[in-house]
Amino acid sequence: DAKTTQPTSMDCAEGRAANLPCNHSTISGNEYVYWYRQIHSQGPQYIIHGLKNNETNEMASLIITEDRKSSTLILPHATLRDTAVYYCIVRANYGQNFVFGPGTRLSVLP
Amino acid sequence: DAGITQSPRHKVTETGTPVTLRCHQTENHRYMYWYRQDPGHGLRLIHYSYGVKDTDKGEVSDGYSVSRSKTEDFLLTLESATSSQTSVYFCAITTGMNTEAFFGQGTRLTVV
Repeated sequence: DAKTTQPTSMDCAEGRAANLPCNHSTISGNEYVYWYRQIHSQGPQYIIHGLKNNETNEMASLIITEDRKSSTLILPHATLRDTAVYYCIVRANYGQNFVFGPGTRLSVLP
Repeated sequence: DAGITQSPRHKVTETGTPVTLRCHQTENHRYMYWYRQDPGHGLRLIHYSYGVKDTDKGEVSDGYSVSRSKTEDFLLTLESATSSQTSVYFCAITTGMNTEAFFGQGTRLTVV
């Protein structure tokens, strides 16, 4: 079973920041938080991951709360091409399977 | 795409026939995975491999077998396809134990 809880869907205006929340209250000390997205029927695309510090890359920022029980993925300037299903996943660091829940369907509106 | 190629991309087959899907990687990574994706179920792990000839079952392994005779290829076989195995199949690789996974573009399999 997925160890995360995400809203079913969200809307965001084009050009604005999209903030996607994720709850992972049972996360263990050795588990990382990963974010993926899936555009239409393509394969899931890796976005970012982190353990406890905030992370940023060219696609997004990941903000993890101090108690690590929740996180937020931030797409700073959403475009129409960011419309996708976004998955938050927790995974330990010894080659475990990635368990995908239903994710959040983000719709970026013009 | 991290050097992952799935073949075929689309296949229609008849119930009871054997089917083999291939996942090929060019990056020499150790871990490879097969998932299926169905409406209402998200992605579910079928089998995975942690090295040549080292494989293990995932949560939905019944009716599927896998083989990995060389690092770059991970084969998924449906010995006798059933309509319930109509799905989109994704292959994934990870570069190490605590790293991200990269997914192929998927194989859409229809069993009629």
